[in-house]
Amino acid sequence: DQQVKQNSPSLSVQEGRISILNCDYTNSMFDYFLWYKKYPAEGPTFLISISSIKDKNEDGRFTVFLNKSAKHLSLHIVPSQPGDSAVYFCAAKAPGTYKYIFGTGTRLKVLA
Amino acid sequence: EAGVTQSPTHLIKTRGQQATLRCSPISGHTSVYWYQQALGLGLQFLLWYDEGEERNRGNFPPRFSGRQFPNYSSELNVNALELEDSALYLCASSKLFGTQGPSGNTIYFGEGSWLTVV
Repeated sequence: DQQVKQNSPSLSVQEGRISILNCDYTNSMFDYFLWYKKYPAEGPTFLISISSIKDKNEDGRFTVFLNKSAKHLSLHIVPSQPGDSAVYFCAAKAPGTYKYIFGTGTRLKVLA
Repeated sequence: EAGVTQSPTHLIKTRGQQATLRCSPISGHTSVYWYQQALGLGLQFLLWYDEGEERNRGNFPPRFSGRQFPNYSSELNVNALELEDSALYLCASSKLFGTQGPSGNTIYFGEGSWLTVV
């Protein structure tokens, strides 16, 4: 049972435009969410996080939105740059643990 | 400040052998996590160690085991290797569970160890 889903395996966006990566989850108890970027043959790099008590968190070009009623979060990258081309993973955890459940990832390709 | 470091970078083993992977957490971090990423798949949770104790275990057979040392470094052992164990093994670390403030809930990954079973 996949508790965290990234239904789009891939996404292509033109340089300078907005990239929107989506993530859905099934466990309403999840209280913290993370986004990572991963290049091939490297470990995931932490990008941004959000607590379930918030609905938005911003860090530079990256903004994460959380819609608890829809059990949906999204990562917005504005403006997108060719260096953003990577696989993006969302992850979620329940209270009382740091066991994060990861989605299967979305491959973002930013076209120059 | 050094990040999470893992060794070896690559490891080739024969089916039935044992593999040992090592991880040093970020300085000041006391929790270590192990994840497996098989080819084309997402990250699957393996193990979580916190101050030397195993806190949680994923859905993996008992031949996957590990430990955490007093200096908070960790090793992952995979016994009786099977071909499907070939994967990227990622170690992550975090501050002590329950730490408040910035990065308190965040886990940081190393570069991973590639295990190939032939």
